Amino acid sequence: GQNIDQPTEMTATEGAIVQINCTYQTSGFNGLFWYQQHAGEAPTFLSYNVLDGLEEKGRFSSFLSRSKGYSYLLLKELQMKDSASYLCAVSDSNYQLIWGAGTKLIIKP
Amino acid sequence: NAGVTQTPKFRILKIGQSMTLQCAQDMNHNYMYWYRQDPGMGLKLIYYSVGAGITDKGEVPNGYNVSRSTTEDFPLRLELAAPSQTSVYFCASSGTEQETQYFGPGTRLLVL
Repeated sequence: GQNIDQPTEMTATEGAIVQINCTYQTSGFNGLFWYQQHAGEAPTFLSYNVLDGLEEKGRFSSFLSRSKGYSYLLLKELQMKDSASYLCAVSDSNYQLIWGAGTKLIIKP
Repeated sequence: NAGVTQTPKFRILKIGQSMTLQCAQDMNHNYMYWYRQDPGMGLKLIYYSVGAGITDKGEVPNGYNVSRSTTEDFPLRLELAAPSQTSVYFCASSGTEQETQYFGPGTRLLVL
């Protein structure tokens, strides 16, 4: 079957760095997406990786290793507004997104 | 440019009732999707469409129907609502199957 695993919840301190991991087993791979979802709101796009390596976008970076079925999202200089759920999704061989359950990130002052 | 819009925002249904969740996008996207999101679980694909007149089942289509008569609109029909359909429903769209999906604000549905 297809499976996406990510931690259920993480806690970090304002101003610090946090890494959210995602491991996947899917039938085919056409890219990995990270979305941010604030409570009661829609998911919004953060990053996309299809080749191995690191993609940097401001305070957020995303890393992919296809051989290990592994990705992480790195958030730097954490702000209170970063408190949200972070969703990992893999595009499978049919280009359908398989979603993880999300990681709830709690930022403490 | 409103992006993806959904109505209603919230609805309570009685068991056995029917309703249509509306979704519209103004980005001229060919691909549109319906997902449901339940607590502690990833988004699940209900139905998707690759263009006007073309729809296909996703992972969890039972109890739902869709139509796509125009590029802009992709309504989701619930027939004979059941408590198991209590969920948050998101509509999304993308230009192609490889591109980023953009989500509407969601419809929270409670079936009692």
